[in-house]
Amino acid sequence: DAGVIQSPRHEVTEMGQEVTLRCKPISGHNSLFWYRQTMMRGLELLIYFNNNVPIDDSGMPEDRFSAKMPNASFSTLKIQPSEPRDSAVYFCASSRTTFGNEQFFGPGTRLTVL
Amino acid sequence: AQKVTQAQTEISVVEKEDVTLDCVYETRDTTYYLFWYKQPPSGELVFLIRRNSFDEQNEISGRYSWNFQKSTSSFNFTITASQVVDSAVYFCALSEERQGANSKLTFGKGITLSVRP
Repeated sequence: DAGVIQSPRHEVTEMGQEVTLRCKPISGHNSLFWYRQTMMRGLELLIYFNNNVPIDDSGMPEDRFSAKMPNASFSTLKIQPSEPRDSAVYFCASSRTTFGNEQFFGPGTRLTVL
Repeated sequence: AQKVTQAQTEISVVEKEDVTLDCVYETRDTTYYLFWYKQPPSGELVFLIRRNSFDEQNEISGRYSWNFQKSTSSFNFTITASQVVDSAVYFCALSEERQGANSKLTFGKGITLSVRP
């Protein structure tokens, strides 16, 4: 079975550019999570969806960040405009929407904003 | 206050030594789940174990074992006869019933384990 798929795996961009990260969750999983990992702040939950609906976006750092889930098999995280402090590894994870289920993580996207 | 505290930030051991990674959690819920994840140098996060709050039995899986003690709010992870391949960052995480039917996790800051040959 395919795991969580993320693209691109690496992204290098210049400050001010728009960045779009993509995620395909595991088939049958109806919860999707976006995380950001940095040395300073560790693993932070940005936003999560249940059945394609955003449930909690309190972790989104500011309005430059937006996330969508147009269908059960695809989600995007967009940063516009990007800033150097957005440099991090961004993970997508999915799970079945039942309390206590483990989350399965994608390989991550390493974003570098110059 | 942190909900999941991993007080050890870095541990270095020599191969074949036993090592215990500590995790202390805080919650007011009576129903909750605890998890351990491994993040090897390649970067992906790998699920290791899940334990619910009503099951305090220790778990053993090969060289890995987990000790869950509600009395001390701890869920510690022991690697017996460590190997170089165990070198990774290990995260403890908590899922609380108050989150509803969601599997939202609160992660600790992780422990970097280095196993030297």
